[in-house]
Amino acid sequence: QVQLQESGPGLVKPSGTLSLTCDVSAGTISGGNWWSWIRQPPGKGLEWIGEIYYSGSTKYNPSLKSRATISIDESRNQFSLKLTSVTAADTAIYYCARTAHIIAVNAIMSWVDPWGQGILVTVSS
Amino acid sequence: QSVLTQPPSVSAAPGQKVTISCSGSSSNIGKNYVSWYQQFPGAAPKLVIYDNDKRPSGIPDRFSGSKSGASATLGITGLQTGDEADYYCETWDSSLSAGRVFGGGTKLTVL
Repeated sequence: QVQLQESGPGLVKPSGTLSLTCDVSAGTISGGNWWSWIRQPPGKGLEWIGEIYYSGSTKYNPSLKSRATISIDESRNQFSLKLTSVTAADTAIYYCARTAHIIAVNAIMSWVDPWGQGILVTVSS
Repeated sequence: QSVLTQPPSVSAAPGQKVTISCSGSSSNIGKNYVSWYQQFPGAAPKLVIYDNDKRPSGIPDRFSGSKSGASATLGITGLQTGDEADYYCETWDSSLSAGRVFGGGTKLTVL
């Protein structure tokens, strides 16, 4: 079973850039899946940030207004997130995950599985 | 404000059945498949239903999913205290603001 592990700084200064990496183990990142970043502010619900295909194609949440960039490194079997111009509103647990995005007949099948354990990132001076 | 609407909380006694609703629109639930996730405090979410009504390996058949129009429902029968958790629905929104969308979450309390 594929396993994912987030890593990166737990504290970022306001107006700075949040950078996280997700290591994929027990499976290849080039296996034809999409790979997502999803976040959850403390005590609140889930928000999709974006996702990347192994070929490099990306999709992003329009609400983040181009602040997010997701990249993939097949040689290291990992993918990364950069979020610029952060504010306190970006404080959250950040999860990386494998996602399905299958275009069926006139419909899209999508699910998220498995998830990493999550990493808390706090934006504060 | 979440794109998909869920009740903030539901409760039921052990052994009983509970349903959690998820309401969307023609561009998301009305068009695409729905998934459901279970999240315990301090843990990552876990997939319990995908493709509207399919259960991943290891998920007991006490969990079920259904979809009708622009709404979806998660059902849990034979409630156990271990089912007490937050539950989220999710689907793809095919509108101009296309992307993966989640419900606001429902806290299930097993009394």
